[in-house]
Amino acid sequence: ELKVEQNPLFLSMQEGKNYTIYCNYSTTSDRLYWYRQDPGKSLESLFVLLSNGAVKQEGRLMASLDTKARLSTLHITAAVHDLSATYFCAVDMKTSYDKVIFGPGTSLSVIP
Amino acid sequence: DAGVTQSPTHLIKTRGQHVTLRCSPISGHKSVSWYQQVLGQGPQFIFQYYEKEERGRGNFPDRFSARQFPNYSSELNVNALLLGDSALYLCASSTRGRYNEQFFGPGTRLTVL
Repeated sequence: ELKVEQNPLFLSMQEGKNYTIYCNYSTTSDRLYWYRQDPGKSLESLFVLLSNGAVKQEGRLMASLDTKARLSTLHITAAVHDLSATYFCAVDMKTSYDKVIFGPGTSLSVIP
Repeated sequence: DAGVTQSPTHLIKTRGQHVTLRCSPISGHKSVSWYQQVLGQGPQFIFQYYEKEERGRGNFPDRFSARQFPNYSSELNVNALLLGDSALYLCASSTRGRYNEQFFGPGTRLTVL
């Protein structure tokens, strides 16, 4: 059974600082996703990573994928308050059906 | 273009009742997935439908069922509601292509009393 772990689960950081969220998964997977969720809202797609060594950047967020280590990172550069949200990684287990397994989420709070 | 839409937005039911949740995918998307998100947790996969066929089912009891219509919209049905079914129910649509990027609807907040 595919398991997805994230750490840390809770992160409080000051504006202007850098930090990294880690996502580990237990079995081989085709795709890895990062989503953002604001309180009481739905999920917003941030990145889709397909291959080993893939790196994608959008604004202050950069995601990378190491399929051999089964590890993805979401790096936050010079955090701003607007980045406060819960970030989920999810892994696509394409076996006999498409099943996307989500991690528990990392609740990020950026403090002025 | 319209995104994924879901109805109703909020719903309050009592234990033992039945509920139907509806989802309309993004135009051109033939795959619809349903997720249950309990407060403070990540979404849990319930079903995936593609071309009107069930392609995947998560670890949910038979009280949960779904279907997809010819226009690719979908319904999630839950029978004999339990207090533990209270959650945000999310629908996501995708093209099921190489990226399989899922776009989520706003969700239906179900409260079971």
